Amino acid sequence: DADVTQTPRNRITKTGKRIMLECSQTKGHDRMYWYRQDPGLGLRLIYYSFDVKDINKGEISDGYSVSRQAQAKFSLSLESAIPNQTALYFCATSEMWTGHNEQFFGPGTRLTVL
Amino acid sequence: DQQVKQNSPSLSVQEGRISILNCDYTNSMFDYFLWYKKYPAEGPTFLISISSIKDKNEDGRFTVFLNKSAKHLSLHIVPSQPGDSAVYFCAASITGNQFYFGTGTSLTVIP
Repeated sequence: DADVTQTPRNRITKTGKRIMLECSQTKGHDRMYWYRQDPGLGLRLIYYSFDVKDINKGEISDGYSVSRQAQAKFSLSLESAIPNQTALYFCATSEMWTGHNEQFFGPGTRLTVL
Repeated sequence: DQQVKQNSPSLSVQEGRISILNCDYTNSMFDYFLWYKKYPAEGPTFLISISSIKDKNEDGRFTVFLNKSAKHLSLHIVPSQPGDSAVYFCAASITGNQFYFGTGTSLTVIP
């Protein structure tokens, strides 16, 4: 079974709708992240959380909100989706910083906003 | 403004030859750098990393070089194999907090 799972894998929605993307991990990591990938722009950080009570904005948090329901779960919400939020969304996890950590990514959610 | 840049969107290399992927950064505070590999329909997977206290790190066919004065790092793959065909992202961070990713380079290894 995958260590980092994302649901749904694909979603098509309409402008103005509320959407939630979910991420679960079995790695036991404290740190979780949400990124979006756009062609020509690479991966950009939306929000990150270093533990259940810690939520931080990333580079592009406007229009998004998150919830860290448990150590293993981190959800991303689009309160009122707009077409320029069409992108590939990735959840990632990592351990507490030890000087040489990498992030482990989920398979991604392809979101299309019409 | 993009703090981590990969100026080559694509690269083609013959099987068995060396692949060199480049990455430039602007923030001199970055102290940890990583390379990720991404296949279609999958999330990125970690490949190799380097701390700013080093200038080279090697892992099998993969070597990362860091030139702090030029704010430049590169990934060398030798010999290149068809299975290495993927998109490669470099990333940088300050003590493992936020990670900043480049735009990616699509590598094609021609058999």
